[in-house]
Amino acid sequence: GAGVSQSPSNKVTEKGKDVELRCDPISGHTALYWYRQRLGQGLEFLIYFQGNSAPDKSGLPSDRFSAERTGESVSTLTIQRTQQEDSAVYLCASSLVGTAPNGYTFGSGTRLTVV
Amino acid sequence: AQKVTQAQTEISVVEKEDVTLDCVYETRDTTYYLFWYKQPPSGELVFLIRRNSFDEQNEISGRYSWNFQKSTSSFNFTITASQVVDSAVYFCALGGGNSGGSNYKLTFGKGTLLTVNP
Repeated sequence: GAGVSQSPSNKVTEKGKDVELRCDPISGHTALYWYRQRLGQGLEFLIYFQGNSAPDKSGLPSDRFSAERTGESVSTLTIQRTQQEDSAVYLCASSLVGTAPNGYTFGSGTRLTVV
Repeated sequence: AQKVTQAQTEISVVEKEDVTLDCVYETRDTTYYLFWYKQPPSGELVFLIRRNSFDEQNEISGRYSWNFQKSTSSFNFTITASQVVDSAVYFCALGGGNSGGSNYKLTFGKGTLLTVNP
């Protein structure tokens, strides 16, 4: 596609429920990133995928968070047993190769609200 | 550890005023990159500029200009003759360092909310 597409754009869920967020990267981009943006905060790194290499999951805040990516296509970020502190905008980005200097292209994000 | 500080949480100006957004960073890398992103109300982060740590030449792009000073670890962003459409959150970011193996990560500041009033 022309840009990074994320769905849903907004999600309201009850505390304790599981949610799944989707990211469609730009076609041909081998690197994919998930970041979290809490209200009034900068972006926090969550996870990085590069081709078929093992992902860097060092930013995932707890074992309730997981992410998958099939090859160089769609990625899903799953949050189990959601808590109110999980409320944030979840941003996905992709790039041609996995180095920051090449610059990321970000999606518009999924705004998650846990009530 | 890397750190990016944007001390200005919110700035409000009147249209046509010039405004400077401050960014100070910390890194142990000797080579690194600095970025500015714009986040309009739609939420998508828009890339504005990337600067290599070896290149301290100031850059101007239309009404935007950037002042990189390695001696003070600052990468400030100035908008000249601001317009209402400039209203957004602006993020400074640091990444691509030459130490460690995770040069793909970007470290972001907390952002500055710029409101340009007509």
